[in-house]
Amino acid sequence: SFEMSQPPSVPVSPGQTASITCSGDKLGNKYVSWYQQKTGQSPILVIYEDDKRPSGIPERFSGSNSGNTATLTINGTQTLDEADYYCQAWDRGSVVFGGGTKLTVL
Amino acid sequence: EVQLVESGGVVVQPGGSLRLSCAASGFTFDDYPMHWVRQAPGKGLEWVSLISGDGVSTYYGDSVKGRFTISRDNSKNSLYLQMNSLRTEDTALYYCVKDAERVGANRFFDYWGQGTLVTVSS
Repeated sequence: SFEMSQPPSVPVSPGQTASITCSGDKLGNKYVSWYQQKTGQSPILVIYEDDKRPSGIPERFSGSNSGNTATLTINGTQTLDEADYYCQAWDRGSVVFGGGTKLTVL
Repeated sequence: EVQLVESGGVVVQPGGSLRLSCAASGFTFDDYPMHWVRQAPGKGLEWVSLISGDGVSTYYGDSVKGRFTISRDNSKNSLYLQMNSLRTEDTALYYCVKDAERVGANRFFDYWGQGTLVTVSS
């Protein structure tokens, strides 16, 4: 079955750029979505179809997907961006999530 | 405003059964596929099941296939998850989740409920 892997944690300083990767075999051939989950809250969609932002999501969030890697980029990271981030794809009748990345802003 | 409200989570013994419900509002329910996604305490997200808008097509994650059954009642704007032969590893917060697309080859989620907690323990 298809699998996606993410780094367990990514540290970033306020105001800097954070990059969270998601890897999977030929992932660039699939659409990838990204979800943000803050402690004690339900996930919210921040990127869909690789690089599209839902309404209400700040422009500092962007996405890309090519080859075997999808990337969520947060420019000018703010302390309120500290959360767990999950990539997600659809593969032959199954929804697949990455293991999640804890973004720490310090 | 889209609302998804789950209910039915309780403490149940291993081998037992449970039925979760999700009441949906704020959108045309039968237009959209719906999902259940779960999250074990301190762990990541795990997709459980998907049902098409008309209820005809269903899909399941490998860990629940043959034990769980997803269904919907479009006349009541409600989604269900029948859980049988429960195991301790089924302990999780179960989210009712709306698919973002009416049709198409891609599946992703635009609205999540607050979740209902299922604990499987003796």
